Amino acid sequence: QKEVEQDPGPLSVPEGAIVSLNCTYSNSAFQYFMWYRQYSRKGPELLMYTYSSGNKEDGRFTAQVDKSSKYISLFIRDSQPSDSATYLCAMVDTGGFKTIFGAGTRLFVKA
Amino acid sequence: NAGVTQTPKFRILKIGQSMTLQCTQDMNHNYMYWYRQDPGMGLKLIYYSVGAGITDKGEVPNGYNVSRSTTEDFPLRLELAAPSQTSVYFCASASSGRSTDTQYFGPGTRLTVL
Repeated sequence: QKEVEQDPGPLSVPEGAIVSLNCTYSNSAFQYFMWYRQYSRKGPELLMYTYSSGNKEDGRFTAQVDKSSKYISLFIRDSQPSDSATYLCAMVDTGGFKTIFGAGTRLFVKA
Repeated sequence: NAGVTQTPKFRILKIGQSMTLQCTQDMNHNYMYWYRQDPGMGLKLIYYSVGAGITDKGEVPNGYNVSRSTTEDFPLRLELAAPSQTSVYFCASASSGRSTDTQYFGPGTRLTVL
């Protein structure tokens, strides 16, 4: 079993839709959770991070963590064609510094 | 401020050839990383460095070597290239190794071994 599971998609939505991207994990030691956005032929860039269970909002983006279910989500409101990218979840445990990445979900937002 | 730069962007190698992937950062970061990204898989850590002269293995180090003679540069060496090393390679840097520090990624090198 992979430590981090993420549906690779692709996920195709119309412009303006609410997008939900998800990851599950198996290691209860993970305490720090991140979402990276990766445009085609580019390196990943950090989009959001959160420590704790609950929601964290940044503009149109909301990161949600449910530690009891070992489940994290990224919601994108009013999605735009410029949001078309691959979204990777990532997490780090409290003891180490190694970052475990999900496989990434490819998102297409159609105008 | 260029951030993290990588060269070359693309390369095709024959089996058994060797090459060096270059990575340079201008943010004075101590920590640097090499990852590979394969389709349907997450980024896998190959090697990392916590400062000039100090390197250590990551999750998938076999077939690779690294050196870190300066803070800015962290080259990745492939000896005896194999088809299994066909991948996209990303270099990243961070100011420290704390989980809260953002890793900044380069644009990647697409390598094909035939």
